[in-house]
Amino acid sequence: NAGVTQTPKFQVLKTGQSMTLQCAQDMNHEYMSWYRQDPGMGLRLIHYSVGAGITDQGEVPNGYNVSRSTTEDFPLRLLSAAPSQTSVYFCASRSPGRYTDTQYFGPGTRLTVL
Amino acid sequence: QQQVKQSPQSLIVQKGGISIINCAYENTAFDYFPWYQQFPGKGPALLIAIRPDVSEKKEGRFTISFNKSAKQFSLHIMDSQPGDSATYFCAASIGERALTFGSGTRLQVQP
Repeated sequence: NAGVTQTPKFQVLKTGQSMTLQCAQDMNHEYMSWYRQDPGMGLRLIHYSVGAGITDQGEVPNGYNVSRSTTEDFPLRLLSAAPSQTSVYFCASRSPGRYTDTQYFGPGTRLTVL
Repeated sequence: QQQVKQSPQSLIVQKGGISIINCAYENTAFDYFPWYQQFPGKGPALLIAIRPDVSEKKEGRFTISFNKSAKQFSLHIMDSQPGDSATYFCAASIGERALTFGSGTRLQVQP
């Protein structure tokens, strides 16, 4: 199993450009989410999905879109990049359960917006 | 509104010492409390987790202590090693809802 994979690892954008961060998991998890990590602020939830076709907003959703057409993939779209979106982005998938609840994170995408 | 408050922000411990990181939460509906470990350039990885029906859980050198009445939980790393140097995050969730993370603690274990 590859677990949770993310592409690209690094990306530099200019203000106003759009792009899609890719995320895929091969563990057949229904629950997937996107976080951003900024220094001193921990991990903040952007969007999440509890299954194919179902998405919802997290703590900091503005400027981002998501869709979930398959169980495996959960892309994050930046509509019009802004310098405030410079961050490290992590995708995660989760297998909730009373005794085996585990959330797996991908390796992250480091995004810089100039 | 920060629902999970973590302290300290950074911690320096000598090799062999005990590292203690604390978290406090506000929402009494939280029913799952994991700790994650993150090394530079990597994604966070689950270290240990606890449910509120027990007051302590131990896995090797790592122990979670949970105080339901005080709404606090802590991570204890016994016999801390230089390889434990990482950033640690506490988190909490309700059922299958998303995890809410603390702000992180950067631990440095000096040899």
